Amino acid sequence: KAGVTQTPRYLIKTRGQQVTLSCSPISGHRSVSWYQQTPGQGLQFLFEYFSETQRNKGNFPGRFSGRQFSNSRSEMNVSTLELGDSALYLCASSLVSGDNYEQYFGPGTRLTVT
Amino acid sequence: AQSVTQLDSHVSVSEGTPVLLRCNYSSSYSPSLFWYVQHPNKGLQLLLKYTSAATLVKGINGFEAEFKKSETSFHLTKPSAHMSDAAEYFCVVSLSGGSYIPTFGRGTSLIVHP
Repeated sequence: KAGVTQTPRYLIKTRGQQVTLSCSPISGHRSVSWYQQTPGQGLQFLFEYFSETQRNKGNFPGRFSGRQFSNSRSEMNVSTLELGDSALYLCASSLVSGDNYEQYFGPGTRLTVT
Repeated sequence: AQSVTQLDSHVSVSEGTPVLLRCNYSSSYSPSLFWYVQHPNKGLQLLLKYTSAATLVKGINGFEAEFKKSETSFHLTKPSAHMSDAAEYFCVVSLSGGSYIPTFGRGTSLIVHP
């Protein structure tokens, strides 16, 4: 069974631009969560989508948004990029939502903002 | 509110000796607790989780953790370290029973010497 895939793996953007990251969950998984990992702040939960609806949200500004499609694939968008948005963005999928279900992580997208 | 503190940023052991990675948590309600491992340039992998069942939790690769409510701790142990255990380890707390909104510790880097 294929794992969680994230595209692109690496991305360089300029301050003020916007970016869209993509995540394809494991087949059959309906929940997709997004995380930001930086040396300064560590790992932080961004949001979770389940059945095309945002179910949970972390403490991030509105510049960070996401969506989920009917095939459970998810995209994350960051508008008006700031230097501090440089990070590894991780996506994780699970069968359904909730802490009883193991999350499987993708390898991440490394975003660099210059 | 919830928080998690990993008491050591780095732990260094020799191959074949025991591993102890310490984690203390704070949660207003009954928590779910997790340990994840992240190898270089890889996504996170779940080692084990506590969700209000047995207090001693066994995970993959010989790791286990004990939930101690009185000490608000969830330390990760392994009897004998292997070179392949060298990685970053994250302790995670979430409210149990539904919404999964995780809070991550800052991570502990495990170094294994031959």
